[in-house]
Amino acid sequence: DTEVTQTPKHLVMGMTNKKSLKCEQHMGHRAMYWYKQKAKKPPELMFVYSYEKLSINESVPSRFSPECPNSSLLNLHLHALQPEDSALYLCASGAQGGTEAFFGQGTRLTVV
Amino acid sequence: GENVEQHPSTLSVQEGDSAVIKCTYSDSASNYFPWYKQELGKRPQLIIDIRSNVGEKKDQRIAVTLNKTAKHFSLHITETQPEDSAVYFCAASMNDYKLSFGAGTTVTVRA
Repeated sequence: DTEVTQTPKHLVMGMTNKKSLKCEQHMGHRAMYWYKQKAKKPPELMFVYSYEKLSINESVPSRFSPECPNSSLLNLHLHALQPEDSALYLCASGAQGGTEAFFGQGTRLTVV
Repeated sequence: GENVEQHPSTLSVQEGDSAVIKCTYSDSASNYFPWYKQELGKRPQLIIDIRSNVGEKKDQRIAVTLNKTAKHFSLHITETQPEDSAVYFCAASMNDYKLSFGAGTTVTVRA
């Protein structure tokens, strides 16, 4: 079952709010990813967790804070975001050598 | 880092015709090349991939070819159907957890 589940599907938050995005996979994948996608653009890599350890941070601002509580779960904590952070946030997981990536449905985030 | 260029940016085809999307990559160390299809408002979905030890791979109406010498790879869709309308992204990876995506091709299949 190639299923990556993300919650919530939609989120509207103010610039002073704190919120979290959640991602879950039960495929036994050991790599999990956060991507950001703006309209009509390809996904941009934000973070990679490999075996529950942060292995890549693509110079993402500290207002985005990832967390991997266990091998099935990935969170993205959001604080003091800017309107330009509004985007589709995609979680993905992968198995073989960190190349394949299966995406979740995404959280459409609007910062007001 | 890896740079992937994708052409064309838009493609309109008559239903039943073939569609071809081409990508080039810059780093000869790249060894994994997936293709994603993204319908409006939905997730990117892996539709086919190829590794550098293979020249061609087919799955029903879609096929991918890889030319390592020229550093380019292509997606071929035959007998296109309206449900093939979507944005298609190519990508390349050096097995380092990073996927470098092309800019995308918007495919429209005219009925």
